[in-house]
Amino acid sequence: AQSVAQPEDQVNVAEGNPLTVKCTYSVSGNPYLFWYVQYPNRGLQFLLKYITGDNLVKGSYGFEAEFNKSQTSFHLKKPSALVSDSALYFCAVMLGRGSTLGRLYFGRGTQLTVWP
Amino acid sequence: DAMVIQNPRYQVTQFGKPVTLSCSQTLNHNVMYWYQQKSSQAPKLLFHYYDKDFNNEADTPDNFQSRRPNTSFCFLDIRSPGLGDAAMYLCATSRDLVGQLDGYTFGSGTRLTVV
Repeated sequence: AQSVAQPEDQVNVAEGNPLTVKCTYSVSGNPYLFWYVQYPNRGLQFLLKYITGDNLVKGSYGFEAEFNKSQTSFHLKKPSALVSDSALYFCAVMLGRGSTLGRLYFGRGTQLTVWP
Repeated sequence: DAMVIQNPRYQVTQFGKPVTLSCSQTLNHNVMYWYQQKSSQAPKLLFHYYDKDFNNEADTPDNFQSRRPNTSFCFLDIRSPGLGDAAMYLCATSRDLVGQLDGYTFGSGTRLTVV
């Protein structure tokens, strides 16, 4: 069965410092990996994705993520955090074939707080 | 400019009284999804439509139904809401089943309260 784990419920960083939000996955086959961000009382917004190719992918708002196949991880990173980055972040995996084709499975989310 | 629109943003319903949540899209996407998101939990897929084909998740309760009368609209019907059905309901679309280019496009959600 496929699963996505976000081991930290909360991440707190100071503005200007680098941030990392962790994600690990467990799937059979090659996954497509995504990060989404959710602001209070809003839907999810797409940040970035890994499909194939370069392990380092760049996305919206200066975020990037590194796919590590051996560690089955897809950590979200940003070199310099902003207060406006404070939000709920979801890692998700999509399988590209089989009976679950196209379904996005989400982790529980990590609340990022960036303080001034 | 809005692409996936959910109405209403907030819905209050009585215990046991049927309620319908609405989703519309201007993207002409083939696939429409409904997710349930309870507080501090991951969004959970309830079902999706690929064009007119309905696909129910195995663990979605019978209390939840869906309709897609045309490409643009998809409805979530809760036949007899219980207190445990209070949640944010998210509608999403993708161009095809894999949706490779941009993942899904989500609406802003409808927050359902059951009293």
